[in-house]
Amino acid sequence: ETGVTQSPTHLIKTRGQQVTLRCSSQSGHNTVSWYQQALGQGPQFIFQYYREEENGRGNFPPRFSGLQFPNYSSELNVNALELDDSALYLCASKLGRGRTEAFFGQGTRLTVV
Amino acid sequence: AQTVTQSQPEMSVQEAETVTLSCTYDTSENNYYLFWYKQPPSRQMILVIRQEAYKQQNATENRFSVNFQKAAKSFSLKISDSQLGDTAMYFCAFMKHNAGNMLTFGGGTRLMVKP
Repeated sequence: ETGVTQSPTHLIKTRGQQVTLRCSSQSGHNTVSWYQQALGQGPQFIFQYYREEENGRGNFPPRFSGLQFPNYSSELNVNALELDDSALYLCASKLGRGRTEAFFGQGTRLTVV
Repeated sequence: AQTVTQSQPEMSVQEAETVTLSCTYDTSENNYYLFWYKQPPSRQMILVIRQEAYKQQNATENRFSVNFQKAAKSFSLKISDSQLGDTAMYFCAFMKHNAGNMLTFGGGTRLMVKP
């Protein structure tokens, strides 16, 4: 048990729709990152938030956006869903920028039809 | 940009035997961290072991140990006394120093431990 909880666990959306995925981190975990894991592949870094500000982004278009809240929860929003957005979305949090161990949630499986 | 390569898509090992998973990476950074993560069918990534690049001594955690070769940019994971619960996907990951939570993952190795 990592103390990081994601919701929902599974989700089916239609192409063109918008989706919001949620992550609840442990208290004090002020760094949160989101990853996209396509089937059979390793996770790809989407972006990272530190103290509610985005401070790192991978090779993902602007329709992927996020928010981090003072209560250590965060959101990943994806607009104009495409079929290739179907994947497992993982959030990971950690205590402070100087720490190295990230704690992962169990992921949200998004299917776009 | 960093890249991480795991050349073994699948591996199998008999229970109680030893298995080694390979990982190579490419970076121009000098200060960084390397990790092995385990992802069981429950999907939750679990940290197995980490290595700081400035440390020459190889990291060990119980049955898990690494062979870190900085010049060769190689970072293999050895699992001793394999157990059925070790069956999972294993991912090698790289993180620059002071990069927060930005991990670069390899493509993974599926490990099957057979009774």
